[in-house]
Amino acid sequence: DTAVSQTPKYLVTQMGNDKSIKCEQNLGHDTMYWYKQDSKKFLKIMFSYNNKELIINETVPNRFSPKSPDKAHLNLHINSLELGDSAVYFCASSRSAGGEQYFGPGTRLTVT
Amino acid sequence: AQSVTQLDSQVPVFEEAPVELRCNYSSSVSVYLFWYVQYPNQGLQLLLKYLSGSTLVESINGFEAEFNKSQTSFHLRKPSVHISDTAEYFCAVSNPGGYNKLIFGAGTRLAVHP
Repeated sequence: DTAVSQTPKYLVTQMGNDKSIKCEQNLGHDTMYWYKQDSKKFLKIMFSYNNKELIINETVPNRFSPKSPDKAHLNLHINSLELGDSAVYFCASSRSAGGEQYFGPGTRLTVT
Repeated sequence: AQSVTQLDSQVPVFEEAPVELRCNYSSSVSVYLFWYVQYPNQGLQLLLKYLSGSTLVESINGFEAEFNKSQTSFHLRKPSVHISDTAEYFCAVSNPGGYNKLIFGAGTRLAVHP
C-alpha cells in the first residue's frame, strides 16, 4: 500500500492554464506539506497544513492555493501557470509533533 | 534562520570504496537532522535521522551519520559503497516545535563507478 500518493505523476500544460495536483496519505498523520524541487534539484517548502489548518505559507505567488478537505488530503491548485512553475512538486506528511516526513513520488509539471 | 550547506555537489567514487558526504548546518536553536536519498526519477526516502540521544545514527543499509554540535555538522559516511548507492543525497534540518519545516541543502550527487 502506498503511504503518500500523488496524482498525476506527470503534467504537461500550456502557459496561462489552471491545474491541480492531488495528494493523499494513509499513514494517519496530522500534518501535510508541499515542496517544490527546481531544475537544479533544490528543494523548498511551500505550504504545510496541520489538521486542515494552514501553518506554513512560504513566499509563494498567490497563484498557488493549497486546499485540505480533510487530514488525509492536501491538494495544490495553480492558476495562470507560468514557465517558471515547471518543477517537480512533492507532497509529504508527518506526525504533528515533528520527526520524519514521508514523501510522495512527486509530480513533474512542465509548462510550455 | 536555519540553513544547510552541502559542500560537495558531486562525489564520484569507485565501488567498495569508503565515502563521506559533508553537511553543515546553521541554527540558533536546537535541531533535528535528517539525510534523505533520492534515486533517479523517484521521491525522497528517509535514510537516517538525529532527533536526540546518541549522536551516531545508522541506517539499515550501512550508512551512518554523526551529529557534531560543536562543529555544527552531520556528515554521512559509508565504509564500502555499492553501485546501487548511486543517487542524490539531501541533508535537512528542522527545529523541535517549529512546525517541522524542513530546510534542505542543495544535495550531493553520489556516483559509484565499477
